[in-house]
Amino acid sequence: DIQLTQSPSFLSASVGDRVTITCRASQGISSYLAWYQQKPGKAPKLLIYAASTLQSGVPSRFSGSGSGTEFTLTISSLQPEDFATYYCDQLNSYPRTFGQGTKLEI
Amino acid sequence: EVQLLESGGGLVQPGGSLRLSCAASGFTFTDYAMSWVRQAPGKGLEWVSTVSGGGDITYYADSVKGRFTISRDNSKYTLSVHMNSLRAEDTAIYYCATQGVFGSGSWGQGTLVTVSS
Repeated sequence: DIQLTQSPSFLSASVGDRVTITCRASQGISSYLAWYQQKPGKAPKLLIYAASTLQSGVPSRFSGSGSGTEFTLTISSLQPEDFATYYCDQLNSYPRTFGQGTKLEI
Repeated sequence: EVQLLESGGGLVQPGGSLRLSCAASGFTFTDYAMSWVRQAPGKGLEWVSTVSGGGDITYYADSVKGRFTISRDNSKYTLSVHMNSLRAEDTAIYYCATQGVFGSGSWGQGTLVTVSS
């Protein structure tokens, strides 16, 4: 099974900051990686797919990069609504796996 | 507008069974594989199962293999999962979601399953 390890698990930041979350895969997954945002009591929301493609309607301050085993999600200038938990997700092979999550806090 | 609406959650005793359903609308159902993803209270996301657009290919997480059965009725735009031999560790919110090649673009609001005596 492919393991995804996100870092950091918790991130404290302020409005206007630039933040980066990393997701490392235990083996190569090409670009079959997605990023989601989840707010308390809500379903996850797709932000980035194919490692670097912005989902329609997602603000351009979100960006993704990487391929193979190392991926990053960057938020260029944090907004109040961005404080949430973020997950990476690999769809290269079954079983599909998620990272453990990164909680972004003020 | 894509809509996914789960139903069927509730309280069930250990060893019991439950069937969850997900009613889909707003898109061509057969164009997408569909998945169940769960989230235990206070925990992260865990993939449970996926069924292909035609319903003929299924995948399961090891944690549910042999106990859960995923299916879909493409004529009724409905996804289901039949859960048997439920355990306390199956307690979670269960989400249905579309599954494209590169991610899950649409999610339901989730339905809570609680396994407890």
